[in-house]
Amino acid sequence: QLQLRESGPGLVKPSETLSLTCTVSGGSITSGYYWGWIRQPPGKGLEWIGEIYYDGNSYYSPSLKRRASISVDTSKNQFSLNLHFVTAADTAVFYCARRTQSSSWMGYWGQGTQVTVSS
Amino acid sequence: QSALTQPASVSGSPGQSITISCTGTSSDIGLYNYVSWYQQQPGKAPKLMIYDVNNRPSGVSNRFSGSKSGNTASLTISGLQAEDEADYYCNSYTSSGTWVFGGGTKLTVL
Repeated sequence: QLQLRESGPGLVKPSETLSLTCTVSGGSITSGYYWGWIRQPPGKGLEWIGEIYYDGNSYYSPSLKRRASISVDTSKNQFSLNLHFVTAADTAVFYCARRTQSSSWMGYWGQGTQVTVSS
Repeated sequence: QSALTQPASVSGSPGQSITISCTGTSSDIGLYNYVSWYQQQPGKAPKLMIYDVNNRPSGVSNRFSGSKSGNTASLTISGLQAEDEADYYCNSYTSSGTWVFGGGTKLTVL
């Protein structure tokens, strides 16, 4: 059974870089899917951040494109999110997820990890 | 890109049917059949309920169905049950090659 698990610091200082990793188990990250990041600020809705294919092709939300970068490490079966110059508005639960190519099927999600931006 | 538009809340009694709408534009919902719906219980990760407008993943009750007309997608839940009470989000592909979520709808089972 495929499992995704987010990991990273729970607290980040303003203006610094938020770095999260999603570890994929029970399947290969090179198996032809898109791997994405979604966040949810406290009490608010879901926001799509971006996604990456195992070959490195990536896509980002226009509102976060200047600050976000997603990378993949096939040797570790992981993909990562860096969000630069964070502010308190970036405080959220961050989820990683897998999407099937040529479909809106995003059926596997991590449990989510809380990241707070505060000094 | 703007978030897709959903009603903030809907409600219904057990056994009834409810429909949640999700309105986008001719650059997202109106252009592609890549619309999905997610159920989120408090403190939990979202769960896929419908994908590609009207397809149900294995294990999802057939009480859940999806449809699309023009720039608006809809999620219908029939035979409402207490366990259906949750937040629901739509999601669509866009002509920019990105994805966008709706603002979410809180479903209350009376």
